[in-house]
Amino acid sequence: KQEVTQIPAALSVPEGENLVLNCSFTDSAIYNLQWFRQDPGKGLTSLLLIQSSQREQTSGRLNASLDKSSGRSTLYIAASQPGDSATYLCAVGKTNFGNEKLTFGTGTRLTIIP
Amino acid sequence: KAGVTQTPRYLIKTRGQQVTLSCSPISGHRSVSWYQQTPGQGLQFLFEYFSETQRNKGNFPGRFSGRQFSNSRSEMNVSTLELGDSALYLCASSLVARGRGNSEAFFGQGTRLTVV
Repeated sequence: KQEVTQIPAALSVPEGENLVLNCSFTDSAIYNLQWFRQDPGKGLTSLLLIQSSQREQTSGRLNASLDKSSGRSTLYIAASQPGDSATYLCAVGKTNFGNEKLTFGTGTRLTIIP
Repeated sequence: KAGVTQTPRYLIKTRGQQVTLSCSPISGHRSVSWYQQTPGQGLQFLFEYFSETQRNKGNFPGRFSGRQFSNSRSEMNVSTLELGDSALYLCASSLVARGRGNSEAFFGQGTRLTVV
């Protein structure tokens, strides 16, 4: 059974700092990994999708890396801003005859201090 | 391009009642998945539909059911509601190309269900 862990559970950093969020998973046979952000009481916003054959993806100030063999992914946020405050979730996708199912981590609650 | 739309946004129901939630996927997306989010259990997969067929189901009791229509819109139903069913129910849609597995999932804003 796939298990996804995110450490730390919560993180507070001053505005402007660069930061790294971690995600680890127990079963390396994944199809892809997706990072999301969730604001309180809201749905999930997709940030980055990394296919299993890729090592990293970048979007603006965000960079996500994937090391499938070691079961790890990181989300790097550069020059953090107060608007980045949210809960960040990673999810791994594993195909099984083409079905769509994501296994989520428990999330990291990020607070950017102005 | 419209995103994933879930209705209603909020619901309050009494124990023992049943409820139906609706999800309209992004145009052209044929896969719709449902998730339950609670503070204690996090995000848990309920089921996934593709072309009106349930392809996968999570570890939830039979009180939780769903269906998908020919236009890819999906509904989920919870019968005999329990207090523990209070949660944020999220729907995700994906564009699934032939021969490929998971693709990027896009989520709706969710339906907040409160059972009293």
